[in-house]
Amino acid sequence: DSGVTQTPKHLITATGQRVTLRCSPRSGDLSVYWYQQSLDQGLQFLIQYYNGEERAKGNILERFSAQQFPDLHSELNLSSLELGDSALYFCASSVDRGHYGYTFGSGTRLTVV
Amino acid sequence: AQSVTQPDIHITVSEGASLELRCNYSYGATPYLFWYVQSPGQGLQLLLKYFSGDTLVQGIKGFEAEFKRSQSSFNLRKPSVHWSDAAEYFCAVGGGSQGNLIFGKGTKLSVKP
Repeated sequence: DSGVTQTPKHLITATGQRVTLRCSPRSGDLSVYWYQQSLDQGLQFLIQYYNGEERAKGNILERFSAQQFPDLHSELNLSSLELGDSALYFCASSVDRGHYGYTFGSGTRLTVV
Repeated sequence: AQSVTQPDIHITVSEGASLELRCNYSYGATPYLFWYVQSPGQGLQLLLKYFSGDTLVQGIKGFEAEFKRSQSSFNLRKPSVHWSDAAEYFCAVGGGSQGNLIFGKGTKLSVKP
């Protein structure tokens, strides 16, 4: 157990739907990162939050949004889902801004049918 | 542009043989370099990291990596591979003000008896 908790582990939904992925960072970590992992694109950075504020944005689609709450957990919202959004979504956390590496959760596997 | 290249998509080695996984990076600033391992269905686990100082760094599970600035490389090595090392290995670079890591596409390691 890495200490980063992601729920749910698996999610199957239909095209056009909206889902929310949840992440609880390791105790004491202030930064949360979201990554998408697919066979063709590899690990793509989506977005980073640090202590409740958005810190960096990567290849995140406009249909996707995220936030980090006062208790530091984070949610990634995916809307108007398409077949191509099927992927593993990882959350990671770090105590600082990530220069020293971060700890990954076990991921949420999203399947859009 | 910042990038990480792992030239080998898939490598097969015999148990007990030595291993070297290649990683080349392109990064404008002084890089922070990482190797992660991902077992099937699992999240990514940090093997080792390099920030500064000794260019040969030791990690967990008997792995080591050597930073060569002149070659922009950070290759991962292990003197004797065990069957349990079969997994996917990711090289990553970071160090900017934002802290998010850029990952390579990964190298899948198979170990034959």
